[in-house]
Amino acid sequence: AQSVSQHNHHVILSEAASLELGCNYSYGGTVNLFWYVQYPGQHLQLLLKYFSGDPLVKGIKGFEAEFIKSKFSFNLRKPSVQWSDTAEYFCAVVNDMRFGAGTRLTVKP
Amino acid sequence: GAVVSQHPSWVICKSGTSVKIECRSLDFQATTMFWYRQFPKQSLMLMATSNEGSKATYEQGVEKDKFLINHASLTLSTLTVTSAHPEDSSFYICSAYKSGTRADTQYFGPGTRLTVL
Repeated sequence: AQSVSQHNHHVILSEAASLELGCNYSYGGTVNLFWYVQYPGQHLQLLLKYFSGDPLVKGIKGFEAEFIKSKFSFNLRKPSVQWSDTAEYFCAVVNDMRFGAGTRLTVKP
Repeated sequence: GAVVSQHPSWVICKSGTSVKIECRSLDFQATTMFWYRQFPKQSLMLMATSNEGSKATYEQGVEKDKFLINHASLTLSTLTVTSAHPEDSSFYICSAYKSGTRADTQYFGPGTRLTVL
């Protein structure tokens, strides 16, 4: 069955630590992958997206994600997190608007 | 930037009553809007795709007669939860994307928290 998995439910980091949030999908064929972020009390907003081309995608606020087809993964990374990155992060396959369960990131100052 | 609003932001109702939730694109026209449901600590689940001027497309397992969707104009879609029961309590989120663009430009509403007593 088609699915999107985010393995980390809650990640706690200190400022300046590096971040990697996992996202795996089980789809055949071409997939269009997005990462969304939801800051406390705010709407979901697009962080970055991948349709095709360069598998390393750069998004807003210093985030990037790498599409690895052989691993069915689209992990989100940021070299140095800030307290303001505290939020919920969702990976999604927009072919059918399927979202992962989300990962809550807490960054301690 | 594009703004999507939802009204009400929260609602409490008695079991058996119907509740209508509005989703509006405030500064753009949206041919397509999506309705999602989010359970605590779980993912957003796509319920239906709402297309202006035509019937909504429901995802498997979503009851059409339970969750009535109307997309009467390019800026408004409504979701009516009919004969609500406690198990319908959830967070309902809509999104919309600008006509003529792809889904990567979808903008999300703030959500509506429904509590059915």
